[in-house]
Amino acid sequence: EVQVVESGGGLIQPGGSLRLSCAASGLTVRSDFMSWVRQAPGKGLEWVSISFPDGNIKYADSVKGRFTISRDESRNTLYLQMNSLRVDDTAVYYCGNREVRGQGTLVTVSS
Amino acid sequence: QAVVTQEPSLTVSPGGTVTLTCGSSTGAVTSGRYPYWFQQKPGQAPRTLIYDTNTKPSWTPARFSGSVLGGKAALTLSGAQPEDEADYYCLLHYSGVGVFGGGTQLTVL
Repeated sequence: EVQVVESGGGLIQPGGSLRLSCAASGLTVRSDFMSWVRQAPGKGLEWVSISFPDGNIKYADSVKGRFTISRDESRNTLYLQMNSLRVDDTAVYYCGNREVRGQGTLVTVSS
Repeated sequence: QAVVTQEPSLTVSPGGTVTLTCGSSTGAVTSGRYPYWFQQKPGQAPRTLIYDTNTKPSWTPARFSGSVLGGKAALTLSGAQPEDEADYYCLLHYSGVGVFGGGTQLTVL
């Protein structure tokens, strides 16, 4: 069964950093299209970042320069390093490949 | 950044057919935008219904289909069921960068 489980969310002050993890099973992070999307409370979905099988990486303009996507092949895990967090980064963050999404992890940026 | 547009809301009768569309501010949508469709029910995570225009994960019911029609990506639901009531989001790609539409709230009534 293909599954991803996000973790690492929490309450963080503006300007702080957080690293989200996405542990995958039944798929290989290294060779799949792995992405992060987010959803602010009561709002629609927002695309965040993607890691392509060839190593190419893309970011939404709203997070470029602040967020970094990476993958650990030995752990079969995708990460999202989030720096310089802002209040408007508050959202549930979902990872996944083209077919599967996890249940998400909540990031709350507040003072 | 491109703007992706969807109908804010649609209503379909049980057993009926409805088409949700997904347009782009940059022009006609083609398969090269790799359209995705996500379904999200209240309190649940989104799940992929369609990707790359018309590819379906194993759990997507046969009554859902994806296409590019009239310069837009389209999600057609044929034979709507009460459990299809949900929010539907399309996602288009621009040189690898994804942009979601605002979502369509589908009511089955």
